[in-house]
Amino acid sequence: GQNIDQPTEMTATEGAIVQINCTYQTSGFNGLFWYQQHAGEAPTFLSYNVLDGLEEKGRFSSFLSRSKGYSYLLLKELQMKDSASYLCAVRSNRDDKIIFGKGTRLHILP
Amino acid sequence: ETGVTQTPRHLVMGMTNKKSLKCEQHLGHNAMYWYKQSAKKPLELMFVYNFKEQTENNSVPSRFSPECPNSSHLFLHLHTLQPEDSALYLCASSHAGGGQGDGYTFGSGTRLTVV
Repeated sequence: GQNIDQPTEMTATEGAIVQINCTYQTSGFNGLFWYQQHAGEAPTFLSYNVLDGLEEKGRFSSFLSRSKGYSYLLLKELQMKDSASYLCAVRSNRDDKIIFGKGTRLHILP
Repeated sequence: ETGVTQTPRHLVMGMTNKKSLKCEQHLGHNAMYWYKQSAKKPLELMFVYNFKEQTENNSVPSRFSPECPNSSHLFLHLHTLQPEDSALYLCASSHAGGGQGDGYTFGSGTRLTVV
């Protein structure tokens, strides 16, 4: 089966850096995704990792360690608009389904 | 707009009503999905369609009935729902195979309240 764990809530300050961790167990791995979801809106794609290492995209970076079943999303120079839920999701290589974690609600303080 | 359009955005229905949710995408994707999002729970996959064929029914009660007439349109027909079915229903689409590096593109969802 598959299991994805991430913190329920986090708080950070505008201008700072925050790291959101995600651990997963899966019977077959074919990529890890991070999505951002503002309240009442659609989840939007942020990043994709399938090989170990760091993927950087502007203020956002995502890291993957397949041997540890671990990923993190790093957000730099935080802005108030970054207040949202961040969903970690893993795709199985058996059926290509993407399974989501419960999401981490990030609060940004001025 | 993300390229996946869902209507209506909000729906209130009684337990004896019949209603339908609609999803439309013109991204050239050939896989479409229905997810349920309840408070404090992860997104729950309900149905998967690949090339208009249903390939997944994740033990969803029969009061939810999906329909996929073509690769661009997906419906979720609702009848005799229960209050615990109140949730945000999200439609998503992707290229076949789970979208590879693009993942899924989600619609904004339908907020359903069953009274």
